[in-house]
Amino acid sequence: GAVVSQHPSRVICKSGTSVKIECRSLDFQATTMFWYRQFPKQSLMLMATSNEGSKATYEQGVEKDKFLINHASLTLSTLTVTSAHPEDSSFYICSVGHRGGNQPQHFGDGTRLSIL
Amino acid sequence: KNQVEQSPQSLIILEGKNCTLQCNYTVSPFSNLRWYKQDTGRGPVSLTIMTFSENTKSNGRYTATLDADTKQSSLHITASQLSDSASYICVVSEEYGNKLVFGAGTILRVKS
Repeated sequence: GAVVSQHPSRVICKSGTSVKIECRSLDFQATTMFWYRQFPKQSLMLMATSNEGSKATYEQGVEKDKFLINHASLTLSTLTVTSAHPEDSSFYICSVGHRGGNQPQHFGDGTRLSIL
Repeated sequence: KNQVEQSPQSLIILEGKNCTLQCNYTVSPFSNLRWYKQDTGRGPVSLTIMTFSENTKSNGRYTATLDADTKQSSLHITASQLSDSASYICVVSEEYGNKLVFGAGTILRVKS
């Protein structure tokens, strides 16, 4: 069964809207979750590492005020795209599991965000 | 610069045939190499994960190989099925496993 649940699967909204995406770890408590963005025919790009109970760590070039991450519990992390614009349209994917070590990360099914 | 390059970009094969996908990397220090399958509009699903000391690992009809000396890996799919149509992503872990470097993927289409 699914290890990671991501919701919603698809969002279409007007420019200027803020959109919240949820990522839930179903099988285990995740102190760390990861948020990726994927443009068509490109590889996944890590946006930020979500840390339970503390601030997220953002990758270079990712605006933390634009992409708000909250990891309030060991099973839930949320990504809010604030004042979204058409260039924010993308496929957003979360994952849980150890970034290091020899265990695979488990990915959610992604959220297709389309900003009109 | 740490990079992962995959080839071919895309591939079309007939159902029942075998195929091999390639992955070359320049990631150092190397921790492990992973192959994922990503169906259209879905998240990636792990197929195999190999450490430095492993040369080959199988998962059903999927067999991955790793040559750490030449920094090359391959994913061999045997007796392909229509459901194998997907993007296959090679991911290499660097910095003792603390950072993942993603390849752009190979898009495989299996035709009947």
